Amino acid sequence: AAGVIQSPRHLIKEKRETATLKCYPIPRHDTVYWYQQGPGQDPQFLISFYEKMQSDKGSIPDRFSAQQFSDYHSELNMSSLELGDSALYFCASLIRGEETQYFGPGTRLLVL
Amino acid sequence: DAKTTQPPSMDCAEGRAANLPCNHSTISGNEYVYWYRQIHSQGPQYIIHGLKNNETNEMASLIITEDRKSSTLILPHATLRDTAVYYCIVLYNFNKFYFGSGTKLNVKP
Repeated sequence: AAGVIQSPRHLIKEKRETATLKCYPIPRHDTVYWYQQGPGQDPQFLISFYEKMQSDKGSIPDRFSAQQFSDYHSELNMSSLELGDSALYFCASLIRGEETQYFGPGTRLLVL
Repeated sequence: DAKTTQPPSMDCAEGRAANLPCNHSTISGNEYVYWYRQIHSQGPQYIIHGLKNNETNEMASLIITEDRKSSTLILPHATLRDTAVYYCIVLYNFNKFYFGSGTKLNVKP
């Protein structure tokens, strides 16, 4: 069965650079969630989208923005990167009415 | 969203049943109980969920108490590959997940 696809899987950036993470949900899934997991920490919710509209917002820094496109894929844009942004970034998707979130493999971001 | 409490770690012998408890005493009537696990740094993997009734699938069983204030995830025959952090999450209406600290399950030979 098709799963959530995230790209890139690994990314290395310098401080103050920008990064764009992409998420391709499971086909027919219309809702996307982004989570951040720092080293040794539990995943923390960042932001979610339903039908291309932001549906909820968590602890997402102002330096980050995200959007969902007409094909339901989503991009997380991160600017002025800081060392503390080094983390795993997970995307999850679901189809409204079926409740269960399915997670992608994550993007590992390292900021040097 | 209701909060959950799980033991930080548990050990289980390979081939034996692993019983992972979760307390969610503030759960409301329309909140589901979900279980996910995370192996190493992989994406959290869905295991099972339920509302009121006990549930079973090919991976595990979920036992929810009658008052719904606690639940137990049962892996009937644990293998070394089941070593992971197991998260119990309560959820209503497509909300984001609040991941607690989870239970680190160590399956030993």
